[in-house]
Amino acid sequence: QQQVKQSPQSLIVQKGGISIINCAYENTAFDYFPWYQQFPGKGPALLIAIRPDVSEKKEGRFTISFNKSAKQFSLHIMDSQPGDSATYFCAAKSSGNQGGKLIFGQGTELSVKP
Amino acid sequence: DVKVTQSSRYLVKRTGEKVFLECVQDMDHENMFWYRQDPGLGLRLIYFSYDVKMKEKGDIPEGYSVSREKKERFSLILESASTNQTSMYLCASSSMDVRETQYFGPGTRLLVL
Repeated sequence: QQQVKQSPQSLIVQKGGISIINCAYENTAFDYFPWYQQFPGKGPALLIAIRPDVSEKKEGRFTISFNKSAKQFSLHIMDSQPGDSATYFCAAKSSGNQGGKLIFGQGTELSVKP
Repeated sequence: DVKVTQSSRYLVKRTGEKVFLECVQDMDHENMFWYRQDPGLGLRLIYFSYDVKMKEKGDIPEGYSVSREKKERFSLILESASTNQTSMYLCASSSMDVRETQYFGPGTRLLVL
């Protein structure tokens, strides 16, 4: 019940296209859903995050869509650029979770072709 | 600017050696975490700490131990390194504010021969 399942494992998109990465969870106590972006040789960095009181959050070309009833959330990258090529992780946590423990998805390796 | 540093970017060790990985954060965060990252498995939590001298097991603590003697420093110890501990190790920290996220260090790539 603590798992977060992420798909696809890898994704190839043409420059200018839309990249979509999906995540699903089981634990209804989760109330914070961040996405992390990781470039080769670097640690993951927070990209965008959402709480379940909204169904969508947009920051520039990055949008999180959240479906509480389906227990799913997704990351959309509009007008994908080669510089977006990275590994993306979704994650989830519960506010009542001691120590702020995050549960991560398996990661998606995105490659944007010029 | 938020900073989490790890003592080494790359390490090569022999089977059976004791290995120390150090992590330091300068944000006065209460929580610190150690993960390992393997292709297709994402980030798996090894241990975390929510206060000095406190530690909690994560999902894969076997073969590891940790030490947190000071708030800013969290060490991961491989008591007797094995080849299946070859991996990328990531340290992270966060504040107690439940709205706050985790900040990661650059990682240590460990190869055990």
